[in-house]
Amino acid sequence: DTGVSQNPRHKITKRGQNVTFRCDPISEHNRLYWYRQTLGQGPEFLTYFQNEAQLEKSRLLSDRFSAERPKGSFSTLEIQRTEQGDSAMYLCASSLAMGSPLHFGNGTRLTVT
Amino acid sequence: AQSVTQLGSHVSVSEGALVLLRCNYSSSVPPYLFWYVQYPNQGLQLLLKYTTGATLVKGINGFEAEFKKSETSFHLTKPSAHMSDAAEYFCAVSYNAGGTSYGKLTFGQGTILTVHP
Repeated sequence: DTGVSQNPRHKITKRGQNVTFRCDPISEHNRLYWYRQTLGQGPEFLTYFQNEAQLEKSRLLSDRFSAERPKGSFSTLEIQRTEQGDSAMYLCASSLAMGSPLHFGNGTRLTVT
Repeated sequence: AQSVTQLGSHVSVSEGALVLLRCNYSSSVPPYLFWYVQYPNQGLQLLLKYTTGATLVKGINGFEAEFKKSETSFHLTKPSAHMSDAAEYFCAVSYNAGGTSYGKLTFGQGTILTVHP
């Protein structure tokens, strides 16, 4: 168990640019979640996958956001035309099955200038 | 819809003193409740969880929490604070989907715990 891995740890980008984050879950975990955490707030749910299927998306996930999990392994979260309001910590978590606790990665901190 | 309210965004205690972090939840279905801890620039680590059964739940690092349905509360306690307990703590709720946790968590705003010598 090497834990949930997220890359990059930090990303600074200019407004209007596209960014992509990667999450590698614990290998046998079939559920994968993306959360966003802004300063002083708890994490907010964005979306989750069971294997390669994206089963739920939050209203927070605007059209500029897209997430994929090809082949049910790693996942990517892309933000197009970034805005300053997108600055946040993006957390990925995985779990073995429904009912199992979520294991979180260390997050990717995005700063949009 | 579910929600979580953590009373007190900052709690400060002396080393060796009792730690009490408050959490109230709102859920239209039986909840599953969790406490997570987050150290600076790190992800969240699970401290403990309540699913069903015994309402007093013991977790890691000496923490425990009690589920009180009548008060819709799930407060986190530790008898004696240690300097290493200084971190941010999050209460979270999931709902019971046919006898197991649905998985998606709704988090409270967090409580920063400071421990001073």
